[in-house]
Amino acid sequence: GDSVTQMEGPVTLSEEAFLTINCTYTATGYPSLFWYVQYPGEGLQLLLKATKADDKGSNKGFEATYRKETTSFHLEKGSVQVSDSAVYFCALSEGAGKSTFGDGTTLTVKP
Amino acid sequence: GAVVSQHPSRVICKSGTSVKIECRSLDFQATTMFWYRQFPKQSLMLMATSNEGSKATYEQGVEKDKFLINHASLTLSTLTVTSAHPEDSSFYICSASVGSYEQYFGPGTRLTVT
Repeated sequence: GDSVTQMEGPVTLSEEAFLTINCTYTATGYPSLFWYVQYPGEGLQLLLKATKADDKGSNKGFEATYRKETTSFHLEKGSVQVSDSAVYFCALSEGAGKSTFGDGTTLTVKP
Repeated sequence: GAVVSQHPSRVICKSGTSVKIECRSLDFQATTMFWYRQFPKQSLMLMATSNEGSKATYEQGVEKDKFLINHASLTLSTLTVTSAHPEDSSFYICSASVGSYEQYFGPGTRLTVT
């Protein structure tokens, strides 16, 4: 079955540091890939997505590129802010809206 | 953009009582709604998939008689936790889909059973 493996956290960075959160997946078909962010006590918000190989999703300074050859979708940001502190989930979907999630990576950014 | 609401956002109930959580798609009609449970510092666990007008499909290990799901319309699904116990305390999140690859998530409901 489908699965998503995320870099284990927690990740602690200083403000303006470079962020990478690794995500790899296994799927039977050609999934769409997503990164979601969850702030404390809230639901999930879609951060970015990519629907086919070599697509790059980007939003709010975050980027991730759909790499079919390495089955990866790593999240990056060049300069993190304190407000980026949250839990980040990598996910895939092979259709019908149903998604498979990674375990989440907690990011803490210190001033 | 597509907005999904949940009500209530927080609920505290006594052991043995039942609690209903509503999930609404506010500006679109959802062909499918999903219910997730999230334990502290853990990922989302899919509980069931709900299609309007049909019975929900439950994931393995989820008690359908305990977690009753009703999907009465294309904009409303409800989750009722029956005879709640402290171990049912959790963060419950719904999402809605319009048949594509993307889900739109509600803000979640924090259930505490005392």
